[in-house]
Amino acid sequence: ILNVEQSPQSLHVQEGDSTNFTCSFPSSNFYALHWYRWETAKSPEALFVMTLNGDEKKKGRISATLNTKEGYSYLYIKGSQPEDSATYLCAHTGGFKTIFGAGTRLFVKA
Amino acid sequence: NAGVTQTPKFQVLKTGQSMTLQCAQDMNHEYMSWYRQDPGMGLRLIHYSVGAGITDQGEVPNGYNVSRSTTEDFPLRLLSAAPSQTSVYFCASSYGGSDQETQYFGPGTRLLVL
Repeated sequence: ILNVEQSPQSLHVQEGDSTNFTCSFPSSNFYALHWYRWETAKSPEALFVMTLNGDEKKKGRISATLNTKEGYSYLYIKGSQPEDSATYLCAHTGGFKTIFGAGTRLFVKA
Repeated sequence: NAGVTQTPKFQVLKTGQSMTLQCAQDMNHEYMSWYRQDPGMGLRLIHYSVGAGITDQGEVPNGYNVSRSTTEDFPLRLLSAAPSQTSVYFCASSYGGSDQETQYFGPGTRLLVL
């Protein structure tokens, strides 16, 4: 079973701060890496899917990078807003199976 | 489109009871899956299906049964509930299940086994 780990477990920032989290995975047998955003009392929603080494994806103030050779992905949030408060999940998908990390819980204080 | 729907939203069971968690999607997705979510852990795959009549085990299949008789429905059965199965259960679907495809999640079912 592929192990996916995320750090930190939680993060408290002030409105306007920029922040980043890490997702690490074994670099062998890489297929695809997904980032999801999960708000309290809602369902996880997709942010990005990344497949190629060096991939960079961006959606508004949120961006992500992928390094498959060293087995990590970073998620960046620029100028955090209170509405960014959520749990951010990364997941590796391969062969019809998905392994999720435990998530990074972000709290943005106004 | 309703997307992925799950029923019930919340259920309390006694140890040894059986029940079925329902999941349905109206997006004509071939791939459907069940996850459980426990505190401090990520979503863990229980079972998945790549189409009607085809199911396979995920990471934590013990104590759960599934079947897929139609494209739309993918019920999860607990034959004899145990307290260790207290969790939040999420159903998800994607078009074909390929690695690059996003999964769409249902609202979850919170299960408490006493």
